[in-house]
Order: sequence, then structure tokens, then C-alpha cells
Amino acid sequence: EPEVTQTPSHQVTQMGQEVILRCVPISNHLYFYWYRQILGQKVEFLVSFYNNEISEKSEIFDDQFSVERPDGSNFTLKIRSTKLEDSAMYFCASTGSYSNQPQHFGDGTRLSIL
Amino acid sequence: GEDVEQSLFLSVREGDSSVINCTYTDSSSTYLYWYKQEPGAGLQLLTYIFSNMDMKQDQRLTVLLNKKDKHLSLRIADTQTGDSAIYFCAEFPPGSARQLTFGSGTQLTVLP
Repeated sequence: EPEVTQTPSHQVTQMGQEVILRCVPISNHLYFYWYRQILGQKVEFLVSFYNNEISEKSEIFDDQFSVERPDGSNFTLKIRSTKLEDSAMYFCASTGSYSNQPQHFGDGTRLSIL
Repeated sequence: GEDVEQSLFLSVREGDSSVINCTYTDSSSTYLYWYKQEPGAGLQLLTYIFSNMDMKQDQRLTVLLNKKDKHLSLRIADTQTGDSAIYFCAEFPPGSARQLTFGSGTQLTVLP
């Protein structure tokens, strides 16, 4: 069964450094998402992306965050200058032709900011 | 508003049925989902229900939806130790937002 893949599984970064989290969505999917889960808290929506532009973003997704689909397969989340509070599990998800189809999630990247 | 609530913990004996409950507040939600998260893993889609349905059954899983009370439940029949995980309900409200709103998750522990 096709799946969403995320790399790396764990990223350790110094505060203030830039980090790029990578995702390969399911190949025929059109809608892409990033969510995060701070340890012990709810899964929170960050951003949705369709047709090479951001569809929706939450208050969390400030100017430090950006997303990109640099080629036909990858979908990346960049955090420009990481803060301690960015430490979380980051999940990528994708869905098919219609945005209300179920979202399929990757296994996540655990981001640890030191 | 959008707020999804779940109880935090549930323990059952192996072989018993588990019922995980969820309440949501956005009555216009069109789809409601159940995801499973095993330790250190991602979110696995278990099942979902469209808001015009009352019930959906898929093997050992039964989803019940009470739209009037905005109550969603997931019943797992013949619960096994491999079912131990965190279970999240999530709603997908209509409109321009294409974002899932998750509950806090219910930690299911299956005792031998």
C-alpha cells in the first residue's frame, strides 16, 4: 500500500539554526499538509498546500516557517531560525483528488532543539 | 468553534470490547476520523464516517455517530494486546479550512 515517507526520523539542531524536514507524499495525491505534536499535547495543524501554493495556515505557521514542493515528489517544511519551543514531532500528510478525502500520515520527524 | 474532547485513558482486559468516546462541537463537520498511534510511530488511519451515517462497521471496529449529541465512539471487539496505542478522533469541518482538528487522544491499555 502506498505510504507517506518522512526523513529524517530524528533531527537534532542547535537553537537558531535552520532545519528542513522532508516528506514524500503518496504519488498521485494533490493536497499536502504539515502538522506538529508537542510532547504530551494534541496534534496541531500547521499548513496545507495545493497547486503549488499554501491553501491554509494556522497561527503557529509564522514567518519562520515555509513550505516548498521543489520537485514532483518532495514536500518540505523549513524552519528558518529554530527556537526551543519548536521541539516536537512533525507529521506530513497527503490526500487525493478531493481535500475531504482521508489524510494519510507519515511516521513523523522528531525535532529536538538544543 | 472547533474543539474535540476525549478521555485520556482506558484499560481493558484482552478479549473484552473497548469503547473509546469522543465529543466534538462543530455540528457542521462532514467527516469524522479515527487514527491510531503506536509508540514512536505515525498516525495510522483506522476508519472514518460521513456525517449522514449513524454507524459504520469494519471487521472488529464499529463507529457510532450521534449527531444530535455530537458524540462519536469507536468500539473495538475482542481487544488484543496489539491494540494498545493512543487513539485520536479528528473532525474535518466543511468550508475553506482543509485542516483536521484532533482530540487529545485516548491511551488504550490492554491487560493480559
